[in-house]
Amino acid sequence: GENVEQHPSTLSVQEGDSAVIKCTYSDSASNYFPWYKQELGKRPQLIIDIRSNVGEKKDQRIAVTLNKTAKHFSLHITETQPEDSAVYFCAASDQTGANNLFFGTGTRLTVIP
Amino acid sequence: NAGVTQTPKFRVLKTGQSMTLLCAQDMNHEYMYWYRQDPGMGLRLIHYSVGEGTTAKGEVPDGYNVSRLKKQNFLLGLESAAPSQTSVYFCASSYMGGGVTQYFGPGTRLTVL
Repeated sequence: GENVEQHPSTLSVQEGDSAVIKCTYSDSASNYFPWYKQELGKRPQLIIDIRSNVGEKKDQRIAVTLNKTAKHFSLHITETQPEDSAVYFCAASDQTGANNLFFGTGTRLTVIP
Repeated sequence: NAGVTQTPKFRVLKTGQSMTLLCAQDMNHEYMYWYRQDPGMGLRLIHYSVGEGTTAKGEVPDGYNVSRLKKQNFLLGLESAAPSQTSVYFCASSYMGGGVTQYFGPGTRLTVL
């Protein structure tokens, strides 16, 4: 199956700075890459996703980039705010069976006011 | 719409006891999933279902069984709980597989003593 690696495991930034989280995947056939945000004690929620036919996607302060050749994708958060503090998970879809998601191990982002 | 709900929210078991976790969704989704979340390991797929009456193994299925007798419900069973099954369990659903948003339930925190 798919193997997704995520770095860094923890990230602290000053409020207003940018944050970047990177993921790599192993299956070159994967074509869907979502990012989930999980606040403490809450459920994971989708914040942005990208498909393999697109190189970049933006939604206000959040952007995701995809490099299919290198098999890596990144989450960029600009102008960070304290409410961005959470654990972020990347995922990639497996191309066998039901196209299940394989998740990275998560990045704990702390935005310091 | 309640979305995805899970019962119970917390549970403590002794080794060897059995229990069933219930997941319910009111979005008429075809696909449902059970994940476990452990510190530093992200979300790992236990079992999934692509429709009423179907189930399939995910990444870490050993020690668990599932049933999908009704489209809106997906049950996860532990026949003989072990301390290694101490985890937070999340259910999710999506209207189809691959390339679409998975909606997560609030989670069940299970401790096996």
